[in-house]
Amino acid sequence: RKEVEQDPGPFNVPEGATVAFNCTYSNSASQSFFWYRQDCRKEPKLLMSVYSSGNEDGRFTAQLNRASQYISLLIRDSKLSDSATYLCVVSRNAGNNRKLIWGLGTSLAVNP
Amino acid sequence: ETGVTQSPTHLIKTRGQQVTLRCSSQSGHNTVSWYQQALGQGPQFIFQYYREEENGRGNFPPRFSGLQFPNYSSELNVNALELDDSALYLCASSLRAGGLSPYNEQFFGPGTRLTVL
Repeated sequence: RKEVEQDPGPFNVPEGATVAFNCTYSNSASQSFFWYRQDCRKEPKLLMSVYSSGNEDGRFTAQLNRASQYISLLIRDSKLSDSATYLCVVSRNAGNNRKLIWGLGTSLAVNP
Repeated sequence: ETGVTQSPTHLIKTRGQQVTLRCSSQSGHNTVSWYQQALGQGPQFIFQYYREEENGRGNFPPRFSGLQFPNYSSELNVNALELDDSALYLCASSLRAGGLSPYNEQFFGPGTRLTVL
């Protein structure tokens, strides 16, 4: 079982729809959580960090559930430009070092 | 634009050769991480450098090595290239505040696409 798991999709939704992705992590020592967006053949770009109290940035809302060990990303009023792969990233300490563990990503296609 | 640059953008090598990839971190950042991303996969962590020292390593063999320079730029070296090394290599910079605080957000360069024939 991978330490960070995501549904690969693809999620196909019409413009204006609301779509939600979940990401589960297996290591309870995980400390920080991020959502990245990656367009085809481009580098990942940070979409938002995920804070314990949940956070919102425009049409995007991220939430963390430590008890159930998952994070979520909600996109409201989907735009065509939201079509991308959304990567869940978890960080934790590993000895004296820190480690980032990436999910494989969830593919979203927003259709006209 | 994130300010992280990588060179070259594309590279073609043959099996057994050696390659050096370069990364300039974003101004003010002191930490550089390297990732390998195969087609259709998430990035796999190779290693991280903080203040010129390796600060963590993923599950990659010793033929993957790196350096960080006093200006925080970094190199990734891969010896004895194998076909499976063909991938997008991403460099990410971040500002580490010190101690064991969690990762700060990382900013990625555009990547170097390496093809091994």
